[in-house]
Amino acid sequence: QSALTQPASVSGSPGQSITISCTGTSSDVGSYNLVSWYQQHPGKAPKLMIYEGSKRPSGISNRFSGSKSGNTASLTISGLQAEDEADYYCCSYAGSSTLVFGGGTNLTVL
Amino acid sequence: EVQLVESGGGVARPGGSLRLSCSASGFTFDDYGMSWVRQAPGKGLEWVSGINWNGGSTGYADSVKGRFTISRDNAKNSLYLQINSLRAEDTALYYCARGPHYDFWSGPLDYWGQGTLVTVSS
Repeated sequence: QSALTQPASVSGSPGQSITISCTGTSSDVGSYNLVSWYQQHPGKAPKLMIYEGSKRPSGISNRFSGSKSGNTASLTISGLQAEDEADYYCCSYAGSSTLVFGGGTNLTVL
Repeated sequence: EVQLVESGGGVARPGGSLRLSCSASGFTFDDYGMSWVRQAPGKGLEWVSGINWNGGSTGYADSVKGRFTISRDNAKNSLYLQINSLRAEDTALYYCARGPHYDFWSGPLDYWGQGTLVTVSS
C-alpha cells in the first residue's frame, strides 16, 4: 500500500490550463478504472471532483477533466480561476479491499 | 441533504484507546459502504478503513491493521472506528466519508464529514 505519486506543487495563471499527474502501479491505477480526485481548501473537508477516472459528479464544472494512461492518471483544470487554488488528491482502488491516496498537490493560481 | 457528523476525538495517551463515531443522515445509510480517512496535521489524506453496507466486509490500511476496528449500526445510522494501541503517528483529523452503493471500494467517496481530531500525547 504505497501512496500514489503526485507532484508536490503546480501553478498557473488565471485562464491557463494545468495538469496534475498521479502515478501508481499495475496493482492499483493501472489495473482498475477506479481513480477519483478530491479538492481540499484549507480547513475544509475534501470534495469529490472526478470519479472513475473521468466522470464528473453533478455540480462540478466541466473545466475539470480526468484521464488515465497506463499506471498514470491525470487531472486537468482548464480556464484556471482563483477559487481553484487548493490541494488536490488522487485516490485509487488498490486491490484486496483497500484504497490508496496520492500525497497531494498544492495548486497555486498566480 | 446528506450529513455526516463525526465525534469521539480527543487527547489520549500512547497505548490508549478511543472510539470514534459518525452519525449519518439525509440518505439511506444501509445502502452504502463507508470509509474512514485521516489527515495528520499539515499532511495528506490517508485511507484508514472501509466497511460494506451490512458490515460483512471490511478493509484496513496496513498501518492500522490489527489495532483499528471499523463497525456500523444501521439501525442507528452510525459508523464507528475503535482505535486501540494508540501511537503518536495516529494523531490526525479523522474523516468519515460515504462510499459507493453496497461495498466501500468500487466507487468514490462522495460526501465527507468535517472530521474529529485525535491527538496522541503523553
